[in-house]
Amino acid sequence: GAGVSQSPSNKVTEKGKDVELRCDPISGHTALYWYRQSLGQGLEFLIYFQGNSAPDKSGLPSDRFSAERTGGSVSTLTIQRTQQEDSAVYLCASSLRQGAYQETQYFGPGTRLLVL
Amino acid sequence: LAKTTQPISMDSYEGQEVNITCSHNNIATNDYITWYQQFPSQGPRFIIQGYKTKVTNEVASLFIPADRKSSTLSLPRVSLSDTAVDYCLVGDKRANNLFFGTGTRLTVIP
Repeated sequence: GAGVSQSPSNKVTEKGKDVELRCDPISGHTALYWYRQSLGQGLEFLIYFQGNSAPDKSGLPSDRFSAERTGGSVSTLTIQRTQQEDSAVYLCASSLRQGAYQETQYFGPGTRLLVL
Repeated sequence: LAKTTQPISMDSYEGQEVNITCSHNNIATNDYITWYQQFPSQGPRFIIQGYKTKVTNEVASLFIPADRKSSTLSLPRVSLSDTAVDYCLVGDKRANNLFFGTGTRLTVIP
């Protein structure tokens, strides 16, 4: 596809369940980023990948959050034992190279997660 | 990352020019100024980026004074479809993430 795609577009889950969110970046983009946006708030940076490597995981909110990227392409963000405060829109972005300000980031439409 | 301050909201009539000013008093020498726009139910999209003076592209202009402590995004002749949240970001080109504040919610009125 021409842009960043994310799936599912919407996810409703029960508290305590695990969820997996998927991101397909633009073909050829080596850098991939995950953000979280709570209702009416700005974006909160979570993690970035350069290739398959995530050099800095300190932005992840807790150890229930993990992310991986395989083949330098698709990335998955996993939230274990979901809590109601995890409810938010999870946005993925990709850029041609690393360097958020140097490279334009292209965002996907997001996954809207609701934890009941 | 330099802290930015911008209006929480702005209203404008269709066809008018909109200017949104962002303050960034602690901007560093290596920092660039970047604006992103987010439409409802979509991810943000890049609008424009600059370092000093004036930058213009097909959708906007960015004015940066000599002291670089502020910047102004100018959107010419806005339409209803320009209703969005516009974010001002300041950071080093080597930074690995973007820092989004709460942005300016622009509402275009018929």
